[in-house]
Formats: sequence, structure tokens, C-alpha cells
Amino acid sequence: DGGITQSPKYLFRKEGQNVTLSCEQNLNHDAMYWYRQDPGQGLRLIYYSQIVNDFQKGDIAEGYSVSREKKESFPLTVTSAQKNPTAFYLCASSKTQGVVSSGANVLTFGAGSRLTVL
Amino acid sequence: DAKTTQPNSMESNEEEPVHLPCNHSTISGTDYIHWYRQLPSQGPEYVIHGLTSNVNNRMASLAIAEDRKSSTLILHRATLRDAAVYYCIPRVDSSYKLIFGSGTRLLVRP
Repeated sequence: DGGITQSPKYLFRKEGQNVTLSCEQNLNHDAMYWYRQDPGQGLRLIYYSQIVNDFQKGDIAEGYSVSREKKESFPLTVTSAQKNPTAFYLCASSKTQGVVSSGANVLTFGAGSRLTVL
Repeated sequence: DAKTTQPNSMESNEEEPVHLPCNHSTISGTDYIHWYRQLPSQGPEYVIHGLTSNVNNRMASLAIAEDRKSSTLILHRATLRDAAVYYCIPRVDSSYKLIFGSGTRLLVRP
């Protein structure tokens, strides 16, 4: 079945360490996204990528980095510069063609990765 | 970006219809209105979207006001599995960014 796989599901990090969250999709989607969710809050956009080897900052990109070397993969690195990294991280993907032709930006989300800084 | 206002929470009885309102008074003429929902400890899932006309799909109906400054997501018969946070998201034309607010937490009573 097609979908998005995020790993790990739970991750613990010591302060000062970088960690990388994996996101893989087999939906043949062009666009991929990373969101952060804090308890009781909505989702905030970290980075998004519309095409391989290209990505744009979202609203809260500071302290994060991404790469898009393959269409299927969009890993997120939470660096030591991110002062409050404990959160639920969600990866999503969508077709870009559909956004232009039909107006719908239908995102498919992964199950999320919960990062806790000790 | 168009700003949205949704009630923090709503309650419904099982098997009854639910009307979830959303105000988006700053929406532009080309912004599509999307609705997503998020079940506990899961990623959001797409529910429905529309521009000007009312829309129906297997999950819900979307009623859009004539002036497009508000919309209502309608669940025709709420089930316990519909308990979730529902997000109303206007999308800026040609943008791939979807901005999620705090949404409405729907509680369904058995």
C-alpha cells in the first residue's frame, strides 16, 4: 500500500545533539513537507519542497535543516541550535500538479515522530 | 494569508449531525477552503475542500457562504470515530503552504 513512513516513532535526545528524522513516501508525490506540533496546538510549517534538490523555509525553519536528494525522501535534521525541540514532528506529501489544476492541496501525512529532549 | 476563526471545542451525540463552523473573513476570491481532521496521536487526514459551491464526499459535506467569509463542515451522522480536531484551512492560490490553526476539538458522546 502506498503511504508515508516516518521513523523513528519515538526519539530521545540529549541537549546539544543533532538528530535526523526520516520521511519516505512511495506515492510518487512531488511535494513534501515537515510540520511541528506542540501539545494542544496546531501544526506549524518548518520546511517544504516542491521538487528534488529544492526546498523552502516555512514559518519556523530556524534550528532545522532538510535535504531533498531523492523524490521519495525528505529527512529533517533537528540541530543543537533549535532551543526547544521537544515536539511531535509530522511529514506530509502531495501532488503538485493537482494544486494548480484543481485547487486542492491534498496532503497525505505520516504517523509522526515524537522527539523528547532529556 | 487568510485568517480563520473556529470554536475551540464542540460536543455532539452519536448518530446526530454535526455542524462545524469556520470564519475566514479575509479570504480572497481564489483561496480554496480545505478541511482536515486529526485523530489523537495521529497525523491529520484530508476531509474535503471547495471554492464557491457546496461540496459533498463520502466523509462530509462542505457548505460555503455566498460571500465566502465563512464555511461549515457537516458530518451527517457523527460516530465515536469522528472524535478529532478539525482544521479549516484557506489556501492561498498557487501556494503549496497549508497553515493549520488550532482547530475545533469535536467530542462525540455515546
